[in-house]
Amino acid sequence: AQSVSQHNHHVILSEAASLELGCNYSYGGTVNLFWYVQYPGQHLQLLLKYFSGDPLVKGIKGFEAEFIKSKFSFNLRKPSVQWSDTAEYFCAVEGTNAGKSTFGDGTTLTVKP
Amino acid sequence: DGGITQSPKYLFRKEGQNVTLSCEQNLNHDAMYWYRQDPGQGLRLIYYSQIVNDFQKGDIAEGYSVSREKKESFPLTVTSAQKNPTAFYLCASSITGTGSNEQFFGPGTRLTVL
Repeated sequence: AQSVSQHNHHVILSEAASLELGCNYSYGGTVNLFWYVQYPGQHLQLLLKYFSGDPLVKGIKGFEAEFIKSKFSFNLRKPSVQWSDTAEYFCAVEGTNAGKSTFGDGTTLTVKP
Repeated sequence: DGGITQSPKYLFRKEGQNVTLSCEQNLNHDAMYWYRQDPGQGLRLIYYSQIVNDFQKGDIAEGYSVSREKKESFPLTVTSAQKNPTAFYLCASSITGTGSNEQFFGPGTRLTVL
């Protein structure tokens, strides 16, 4: 079975601070990894994904994530957050050919102007 | 304008009644999913379907039922057997059920059982 753990439930930062949200997964095989974001009042949408190749992936709005296979981690980073990054962030894992994703509990990010 | 529609946005029902939540997509996606979102618990998979006329139970299928008679439609019925049905329900779709395809989400339906 696949599972995901997000370490931070609520993160509060000031604008221009750096961000790193932790995500660890458990699965006994190859995986596809995703970060989704839910801005206030908007649909859940894809931020970035990893499925093969370069373990450092870049997404929208300056976000990036690094897949570290040995640590079963896929942490999300952004060098300088903006007030508009206030949202809930979900990490998800999909075992290759599993046909379904498992989501973490989510991290609420609040950025103070 | 392609996307996923869920209706209604808010739904109220009396305890003991079955209720069906609608999910329609015009993205020509093969796979569709139903999730339940509760505060602090992320998204939990209820049912998913990789192809028309086929579906599988997710992690919390008890008290729910689905059908997939058409590619674009995947309605979810919350039955009276569901012990705690009040929640926010999200429908999603992806191009296929396997591979690196991300999911596209609808706006959700907030169900309140009185």
